[in-house]
Amino acid sequence: GENVEQHPSTLSVQEGDSAVIKCTYSDSASNYFPWYKQELGKRPQLIIDIRSNVGEKKDQRIAVTLNKTAKHFSLHITETQPEDSAVYFCAATPLVGQGAQKLVFGQGTRLTINP
Amino acid sequence: DSGVTQTPKHLITATGQRVTLRCSPRSGDLSVYWYQQSLDQGLQFLIQYYNGEERAKGNILERFSAQQFPDLHSELNLSSLELGDSALYFCASSVPAGGLYLPDTQYFGPGTRLTVL
Repeated sequence: GENVEQHPSTLSVQEGDSAVIKCTYSDSASNYFPWYKQELGKRPQLIIDIRSNVGEKKDQRIAVTLNKTAKHFSLHITETQPEDSAVYFCAATPLVGQGAQKLVFGQGTRLTINP
Repeated sequence: DSGVTQTPKHLITATGQRVTLRCSPRSGDLSVYWYQQSLDQGLQFLIQYYNGEERAKGNILERFSAQQFPDLHSELNLSSLELGDSALYFCASSVPAGGLYLPDTQYFGPGTRLTVL
């Protein structure tokens, strides 16, 4: 089945700098890649997603890139702010059947923004 | 607020007991998903229901079962509870992306924190 590896597990950056989190997936049939932000004790919140027919997507300070050949995708956060501190999860959606789907998550990255 | 609701927020129970977690999807969403989040296993997919029918299954234990009712709310039943079942249980629902093989965006509820003592 699908396996998603996420790196790094922890990341600390200075406020205003950029942060990059990388994920690799194993199932070449996976075609949807969302990123979720989770604050302590709260629900995972979708921040950006990308589908396999697109190579890059941007939303203000957040961007995601997808390399289908290499089976990896990355989250880029620019001009980081203290409120960006959280755990970030990448996920991949393997093809499991008609009308069926599941998210396979990476292990998470704890991002800390230092003022 | 994602529009997905879950009750209860917290649940404390003893080993060997049975509990029921409840989820109401966003208005208009037909699919409901259940995920378990524990410290050692991360976020793991348990099961998906679409309009009352089971559609996808993950590593859900035989002691766990779920169903989706005609009003589209879903319940996750956990029985013969063990210490290792202590976790956050999330429900998510999705809006169709427009095709049977097009993945849907999933929105998560606030979760139920289960503590087994």
